[in-house]
Amino acid sequence: DQQVKQNSPSLSVQEGRISILNCDYTNSMFDYFLWYKKYPAEGPTFLISISSIKDKNEDGRFTVFLNKSAKHLSLHIVPSQPGDSAVYFCAAEVRGSTLGRLYFGRGTQLTVWP
Amino acid sequence: KAGVTQTPRYLIKTRGQQVTLSCSPISGHRSVSWYQQTPGQGLQFLFEYFSETQRNKGNFPGRFSGRQFSNSRSEMNVSTLELGDSALYLCASSPWGDGTGELFFGEGSRLTVL
Repeated sequence: DQQVKQNSPSLSVQEGRISILNCDYTNSMFDYFLWYKKYPAEGPTFLISISSIKDKNEDGRFTVFLNKSAKHLSLHIVPSQPGDSAVYFCAAEVRGSTLGRLYFGRGTQLTVWP
Repeated sequence: KAGVTQTPRYLIKTRGQQVTLSCSPISGHRSVSWYQQTPGQGLQFLFEYFSETQRNKGNFPGRFSGRQFSNSRSEMNVSTLELGDSALYLCASSPWGDGTGELFFGEGSRLTVL
């Protein structure tokens, strides 16, 4: 059961423009959401997170928006840079009860071209 | 501070064999989780250990097992390998005792089963 879904396997954006990566979830118990970035031959690295009590969290060029009623979150990267080209994974959990288990989407390959 | 270290990085086995993968978490991290990544499937949770105890387990057959030592290092074992076990196996550690929040991933062990 895919409780976290990333319906776009790939996204191509020109350098300097905005990248928007989307993620949907089905489990209303999820209360914490994370984005990870993964380069080839490397492990995923944490990018940004958001608690369900917020609807927005910003860190430099990265902003995550959460719409609980729609069970949807998105990651905005502005401005996009070629070094942002990677696979982005959305993940979710129920804090305090999922014991090391993050529910991941299948990832979106972002390509930023010059 | 050293990151999560996984060994070996690459290995090739044949069907029916068994394999053991090793993970050294970040110093001070007591929670260790294991994930399997296959093409197009995202990251699938295998199990989580804390203080040498398995606290959580994903939906994998009994051929997949693990353990954690008193120094928090962890191993996972896959017996009677099948072609479908070919994957990137990722270990992650966490400083949080409740096993939630940001996970710090290693670079993974790439297993190929022939």
